[in-house]
Amino acid sequence: GENVEQHPSTLSVQEGDSAVIKCTYSDSASNYFPWYKQELGKGPQLIIDIRSNVGEKKDQRIAVTLNKTAKHFSLHITETQPEDSAVYFCAASRGGNTPLVFGKGTRLSVIA
Amino acid sequence: GAVVSQHPSWVICKSGTSVKIECRSLDFQATTMFWYRQFPKQSLMLMATSNEGSKATYEQGVEKDKFLINHASLTLSTLTVTSAHPEDSSFYICSARDMRGGETQYFGPGTRLLVL
Repeated sequence: GENVEQHPSTLSVQEGDSAVIKCTYSDSASNYFPWYKQELGKGPQLIIDIRSNVGEKKDQRIAVTLNKTAKHFSLHITETQPEDSAVYFCAASRGGNTPLVFGKGTRLSVIA
Repeated sequence: GAVVSQHPSWVICKSGTSVKIECRSLDFQATTMFWYRQFPKQSLMLMATSNEGSKATYEQGVEKDKFLINHASLTLSTLTVTSAHPEDSSFYICSARDMRGGETQYFGPGTRLLVL
């Protein structure tokens, strides 16, 4: 089955700097890669996703890149703000009704 | 749009009792919902896939007789933790896919269960 590795497990950045979180996956048939942000005591919130027919997607300060050959994808947050502090999870699936397989999460701290 | 609710948001119960958690898609219909549990500082672990009108598909190691799942309508799935024990204490989260298509899963706010 699919296995998703996520690094780093914790990340501290100064406000205004960029943050990058990386994930690798094992199943070459996976074609859908979402990123979720989870604040303490809340459910995960989708922040951006990418499908395998696209190499990069951007939404304001957030971008995701996908390298299908290397089977890795990354989340980039620019101009970080204290409210970006949370746990971020990457995930992968084969799409359709197949379940998501999550990485172990990255705890991002943005220091003001 | 795409809001998923859960009820209750938190519950405390005595060991041996059963607890029912509801997951509702508020503004879309979902033929498939997923149930996850999450321990402190850990990732989400899929428990089961809930299919409207049919039996749930459980992940390996999840006891189907202990975690009863019912997906009776296109907007409601329930998870019942039967004969709960302290080790069942966890954060339970559901997600739902819009049946009109797409892979996006929308998550509920979670239910924190504490079994004394």
